[in-house]
Amino acid sequence: RKEVEQDPGPFNVPEGATVAFNCTYSNSASQSFFWYRQDCRKEPKLLMSVYSSGNEDGRFTAQLNRASQYISLLIRDSKLSDSATYLCVVSSTLGRLYFGRGTQLTVWP
Amino acid sequence: DAGVIQSPRHEVTEMGQEVTLRCKPISGHDYLFWYRQTMMRGLELLIYFNNNVPIDDSGMPEDRFSAKMPNASFSTLKIQPSEPRDSAVYFCASSWARTNLNEQFFGPGTRLTVL
Repeated sequence: RKEVEQDPGPFNVPEGATVAFNCTYSNSASQSFFWYRQDCRKEPKLLMSVYSSGNEDGRFTAQLNRASQYISLLIRDSKLSDSATYLCVVSSTLGRLYFGRGTQLTVWP
Repeated sequence: DAGVIQSPRHEVTEMGQEVTLRCKPISGHDYLFWYRQTMMRGLELLIYFNNNVPIDDSGMPEDRFSAKMPNASFSTLKIQPSEPRDSAVYFCASSWARTNLNEQFFGPGTRLTVL
């Protein structure tokens, strides 16, 4: 079983829509959680960290449920520029990250 | 500021040939990671170094793969001999334990095609 499981999508939504991505992780000892973003044919980049209390960064809201080992990302008021692949990432030991396979999002005008 | 630098950006080679991928991490970063990304398997960690010392190479697929970090500003990933199933995008990433170890900065990747 993979460390991090994500729905690969694709998600195709119109501009202005709200879209949510989920992922689950298998190691209950996981320490840190993140969402990375990867544009087509580019490298992954950190989008935001995910905290147990939930956190928001503009139109993006991330939530963590440790009991269910579940992480979510909500994007409100989607923009064309949000089109990308979103990678759910978990850190279990210092320095090592486990990446989900990513959820592809396309926002259309 | 220069980010992580990788070379070459694209490599096309024939089966059986040796391939060497190069990486220059961000200056001052003390962790360096090599990843491989394919459609089928996603992003996989191959090996990572801390202060130039390999810490975990359990992701290296087999003996054909080797990685070195002779100094803090340079690392190589070598495949010898290469096989078509090695075709993938290889990313190098670096991070700095003192700030946020878990924020890894990725290079642009090397797109490898083995014919």
